[in-house]
Amino acid sequence: GAVVSQHPSRVICKSGTSVKIECRSLDFQATTMFWYRQFPKKSLMLMATSNEGSKATYEQGVEKDKFLINHASLTLSTLTVTSAHPEDSSFYICSAPSHLAVAKNIQYFGAGTRLSVL
Amino acid sequence: GEDVEQSLFLSVREGDSSVINCTYTDSSSTYLYWYKQEPGAGLQLLTYIFSNMDMKQDQRLTVLLNKKDKHLSLRIADTQTGDSAIYFCAENTSFQKLVFGTGTRLLVSP
Repeated sequence: GAVVSQHPSRVICKSGTSVKIECRSLDFQATTMFWYRQFPKKSLMLMATSNEGSKATYEQGVEKDKFLINHASLTLSTLTVTSAHPEDSSFYICSAPSHLAVAKNIQYFGAGTRLSVL
Repeated sequence: GEDVEQSLFLSVREGDSSVINCTYTDSSSTYLYWYKQEPGAGLQLLTYIFSNMDMKQDQRLTVLLNKKDKHLSLRIADTQTGDSAIYFCAENTSFQKLVFGTGTRLLVSP
């Protein structure tokens, strides 16, 4: 089946540095991808919709300048956490909708990236 | 806005049935989903149901949907220790966007 690859799986960085997380659709194209954030023992919150060839659409309350999203190709979206601070520590997960017309309602999720900012 | 609500915790014994409940918010959602998340891992889609269905069964999993009450449930028959995880329901409120429930932690004891 379709697979979404996300890496790194875990990153630890110093406060003030920037971290890039990649989300790739393997063997299928994704014009749209989604980025979610999950706080410990909490649910997933949609951060933004990544659109290939155009600007990302951010959810209310998500800082565009803090979380930069680039959907450079039909198989790759990146999330860059700029000038990371400890409060940005979280589990970030991406997803891509199925490329099959009969399964457009299905989304494939990456394995997630755990970001720890010291 | 309103949250998609789930009970926080459920504990069952191996071999019993588990029922996880969810109250969603958007009556126009066309699909409703159940995902499983094991510790430190991403999300695994377990099953989904189209909004014009009342029930869907897939092996040990049975999904019941009550649109009038906006209530969704997941029944796991013959629950195993490997079923221990967090279960999220989710609804699609607009084009392919998912809103997740608060999550139910299922603990299966031998």
